[in-house]
Amino acid sequence: DTAVSQTPKYLVTQMGNDKSIKCEQNLGHDTMYWYKQDSKKFLKIMFSYNNKELIINETVPNRFSPKSPDKAHLNLHINSLELGDSAVYFCASSQSERGDTQYFGPGTRLTVL
Amino acid sequence: AQSVTQPDIHITVSEGASLELRCNYSYGATPYLFWYVQSPGQGLQLLLKYFSGDTLVQGIKGFEAEFKRSQSSFNLRKPSVHWSDAAEYFCAVGAVGNYKLSFGAGTTVTVRA
Repeated sequence: DTAVSQTPKYLVTQMGNDKSIKCEQNLGHDTMYWYKQDSKKFLKIMFSYNNKELIINETVPNRFSPKSPDKAHLNLHINSLELGDSAVYFCASSQSERGDTQYFGPGTRLTVL
Repeated sequence: AQSVTQPDIHITVSEGASLELRCNYSYGATPYLFWYVQSPGQGLQLLLKYFSGDTLVQGIKGFEAEFKRSQSSFNLRKPSVHWSDAAEYFCAVGAVGNYKLSFGAGTTVTVRA
């Protein structure tokens, strides 16, 4: 059983399109995250939700909108995609907000043409 | 604010040789420290973590790390490297009550036969 899963694994799209990435965790965790890994493999947190409430919103363009329909899901919707959005996006989850271990999904490689 | 420095961008090691990856952190209080490994095209897998207690931490795949408060370091070691250890290694720092996990830039490990 996959603990943190993401779909799709690969996403190739044109500039200006809107796309979504889905994330699900079956660990029973309260907190979920989205990270962006750039071409130099640097990982930076984008958002975090705890019990469906937004708790971290880093300096991310408002074209990115996370949505958490329930504790087990955190989706990422991106409007008006730009070339610079090309990256690998990782979802993660942790038991709570108390600096707990974060478990990562396999990543979604987004390529914007 | 917390931050992590991994001084070595790339390390090449012979199979069977020992490996040490350096990690220095910056945080005002007692940190939570993690090492993750990312194999090519894969997500991040937790190798080990330090929250408190014994400063020498054992992890999976034969890895260990030592927390040294006086040096603000959390170096990762493996006594004998296998070809399958070729991957990207990330050190990360978190803290109690702090949702954010800050990652270092990563160290690429190449294993030669």
